Amino acid sequence: DTEVTQTPKHLVMGMTNKKSLKCEQHMGHRAMYWYKQKAKKPPELMFVYSYEKLSINESVPSRFSPECPNSSLLNLHLHALQPEDSALYLCASSPTAGETYEQYFGPGTRLTVT
Amino acid sequence: GQQLNQSPQSMFIQEGEDVSMNCTSSSIFNTWLWYKQDPGEGPVLLIALYKAGELTSNGRLTAQFGITRKDSFLNISASIPSDVGIYFCAGQKDNYGQNFVFGPGTRLSVLP
Repeated sequence: DTEVTQTPKHLVMGMTNKKSLKCEQHMGHRAMYWYKQKAKKPPELMFVYSYEKLSINESVPSRFSPECPNSSLLNLHLHALQPEDSALYLCASSPTAGETYEQYFGPGTRLTVT
Repeated sequence: GQQLNQSPQSMFIQEGEDVSMNCTSSSIFNTWLWYKQDPGEGPVLLIALYKAGELTSNGRLTAQFGITRKDSFLNISASIPSDVGIYFCAGQKDNYGQNFVFGPGTRLSVLP
């Protein structure tokens, strides 16, 4: 099973709203990632969690707040977003230790900020 | 920073034809991954490469890790309509497998 699930699939929110994106994997992976993807562009790394600890933050604005409650779950809390934050938000996971680093992606959440 | 180039940017082929695309960089990478992405979906991992010179197949797909460690190639044989999509390469330089950079993608269209 190489499945990463994400909810919701679509989200429309106003600039004053607070919402959260959720991601879950049951592959025993200990690294989880958030990516942002704009139309016709490749995914851009936002955050990396390794063993439930934030290991990489690619200079993401504080209106995006990640959280890793346990090794299977990853959340992205959203607050006071801007219309330019509208994008496909992808979650991925991978094994951290060992010799393989394949990242498996979820289907994404399509976010629209109005 | 790290940057990957992919060519061609887009391609139109006839069903049944073979396809070749590549990914290049001015930097050395330790790992190469190839993904396919359909519209509105997440990228799906096709092939992972970990050693220079490595040649790996997955069905009709074959990918190679370049000897110089600065490039990788993906070939698709006997293309079918469901091969349509965007193909991304992703490279990783560090030893922890966490910080991948993606190429801009090759958009493949298959004509019946």
